[in-house]
Amino acid sequence: RKEVEQDPGPFNVPEGATVAFNCTYSNSASQSFFWYRQDCRKEPKLLMSVYSSGNEDGRFTAQLNRASQYISLLIRDSKLSDSATYLCVVIPPFSGGYNKLIFGAGTRLAVHP
Amino acid sequence: EPEVTQTPSHQVTQMGQEVILRCVPISNHLYFYWYRQILGQKVEFLVSFYNNEISEKSEIFDDQFSVERPDGSNFTLKIRSTKLEDSAMYFCATTGGLKDYNEQFFGPGTRLTVL
Repeated sequence: RKEVEQDPGPFNVPEGATVAFNCTYSNSASQSFFWYRQDCRKEPKLLMSVYSSGNEDGRFTAQLNRASQYISLLIRDSKLSDSATYLCVVIPPFSGGYNKLIFGAGTRLAVHP
Repeated sequence: EPEVTQTPSHQVTQMGQEVILRCVPISNHLYFYWYRQILGQKVEFLVSFYNNEISEKSEIFDDQFSVERPDGSNFTLKIRSTKLEDSAMYFCATTGGLKDYNEQFFGPGTRLTVL
């Protein structure tokens, strides 16, 4: 089983739509969880951290379900500029404080007019 | 806003040649990483570096790879004898400033093409 699994997409949605991405991780003792965004041929950039209580940043909402080992990202009112690949990222246990990131393969989002 | 920089942006080399990829971390950051991304694939962890030594490395990071921070500024990744399969985007990342400890800031990457 892959350490971090995501639906590769692509998700093709019109502007203004709400879209949700899911991610599962294999190691139940994983420590920290993030969503990164990656534009074509660019570096990953942190979109938001994911907390057990759920967290929201503007149009973006992230949820973590530790029991199901499941992470989600909801984007409301999609903009053209949201078109990118969304990477689910996990810090595995026993990283010794050095926090290597384990990436999913990413979910591609294309927002069209 | 402080940022991680990497040079060169694109490196083309012949198989068997040595390459050195350079990264300038964000000032005051303490932890340094190299990741790679083969075209069309996921980002993969290579190595983490702290206090002038490797703290963790992946299976990819074999004897052909090495890292160092020779002058306290640049953080380098050396590939001694490149193979075709080393062609990828190599990203440097740093973390450990006074705030946002867990956020790793990525450089723009070096695209390595091995012919």
